[in-house]
Amino acid sequence: EADIYQTPRYLVIGTGKKITLECSQTMGHDKMYWYQQDPGMELHLIHYSYGVNSTEKGDLSSESTVSRIRTEHFPLTLESARPSHTSQYLCASSEQGFTEKLFFGSGTQLSVL
Amino acid sequence: AQSVTQLGSHVSVSEGALVLLRCNYSSSVPPYLFWYVQYPNQGLQLLLKYTSAATLVKGINGFEAEFKKSETSFHLTKPSAHMSDAAEYFCAVSDRRSQGNLIFGKGTKLSVKP
Repeated sequence: EADIYQTPRYLVIGTGKKITLECSQTMGHDKMYWYQQDPGMELHLIHYSYGVNSTEKGDLSSESTVSRIRTEHFPLTLESARPSHTSQYLCASSEQGFTEKLFFGSGTQLSVL
Repeated sequence: AQSVTQLGSHVSVSEGALVLLRCNYSSSVPPYLFWYVQYPNQGLQLLLKYTSAATLVKGINGFEAEFKKSETSFHLTKPSAHMSDAAEYFCAVSDRRSQGNLIFGKGTKLSVKP
């Protein structure tokens, strides 16, 4: 059912590299999100966007940055990856509102060596 | 600030047995409450949501949850577990003060034994 795609699915990279995690949705949703998920821990909201040219920081401080130039695209960038960035990153989208259903991508598992 | 607490990081039941996954919330304003499920190697999917209408909410795959304000709880139940229910379940809360952004619990992994 979900029309939201994340690439790559897995990424293993060395310390200091710049990386971009891709997220695209075809549902025309205005709102998009990035969550960070570690085993046994809460999903933490790290970035969200209300629409084109809108980006906001979430509850968990993150060294990553995001951009929203097109409605369907919400990439996340780490300028210099570190082992502490190792985690699962989940992208999601929804209609605007307080009770709207979130559609999640399958996630990117990032490992920084 | 809003929060949710899921009691039990791992729950194991036999096939055909009752499933009960516990969630307690904290919110100073009327909350909206959600249960999401994550199957292995997949993204999260919405099971059901409470938005201040009926306190007993029915979701997909035979799951339901009851909002109890006096207990600040929103426990998820299913009368009879199926092997395909094995997954991780996340409770989440949002309200107007969080701009509708969801605050998730730590998740409960459900195992179903044959």
